[in-house]
Amino acid sequence: AQSVAQPEDQVNVAEGNPLTVKCTYSVSGNPYLFWYVQYPNRGLQFLLKYITGDNLVKGSYGFEAEFNKSQTSFHLKKPSALVSDSALYFCAVRDDGSARQLTFGSGTQLTVLP
Amino acid sequence: DVKVTQSSRYLVKRTGEKVFLECVQDMDHENMFWYRQDPGLGLRLIYFSYDVKMKEKGDIPEGYSVSREKKERFSLILESASTNQTSMYLCASSLSGHHQETQYFGPGTRLLVL
Repeated sequence: AQSVAQPEDQVNVAEGNPLTVKCTYSVSGNPYLFWYVQYPNRGLQFLLKYITGDNLVKGSYGFEAEFNKSQTSFHLKKPSALVSDSALYFCAVRDDGSARQLTFGSGTQLTVLP
Repeated sequence: DVKVTQSSRYLVKRTGEKVFLECVQDMDHENMFWYRQDPGLGLRLIYFSYDVKMKEKGDIPEGYSVSREKKERFSLILESASTNQTSMYLCASSLSGHHQETQYFGPGTRLLVL
């Protein structure tokens, strides 16, 4: 079975400060990990993914995520937050061995304060 | 760019009505998915399809059916709408063959069942 947890429903950060949105996962094999962002009344937009290789993955809009196998985490980060980064963020995981579908977390609402 | 379109952005239906939600993608993707999104629950998979005329149940298929007669089109059907099916419905598509393939989402249909 595969699962993903986003422990924070809401994250607030001041503009210009670094931001982190947390994600932990559980799989039986090796994970494929994804981050998506959703702006109000829109579908999900792909930000980045980890498949294999370098643990630090760079994605769209200056976001990056660090894969940590020992902590089973894939936290989303950005060095300097913008007000326009305010949105709902979803982490998703797929087990490379057996799963045919993505499992999504419950989402984290990021608010960047001016 | 991949484009996934959904037939309606907003829909209001009455209890017991038959509801059709349509999704079209223009990138010749083999895989198509239907999710529903509810606050605090993230995205939950209803049905998916890996080929024309082929379908598989996701995590919450009860009360729903699907149809995929053409590669580019995947329809979600609510045979008899109920108030607990009020939700945001998201369609997605991806290439087949690899579990790491990114899913691309449509803008969503917000359905209200009265």
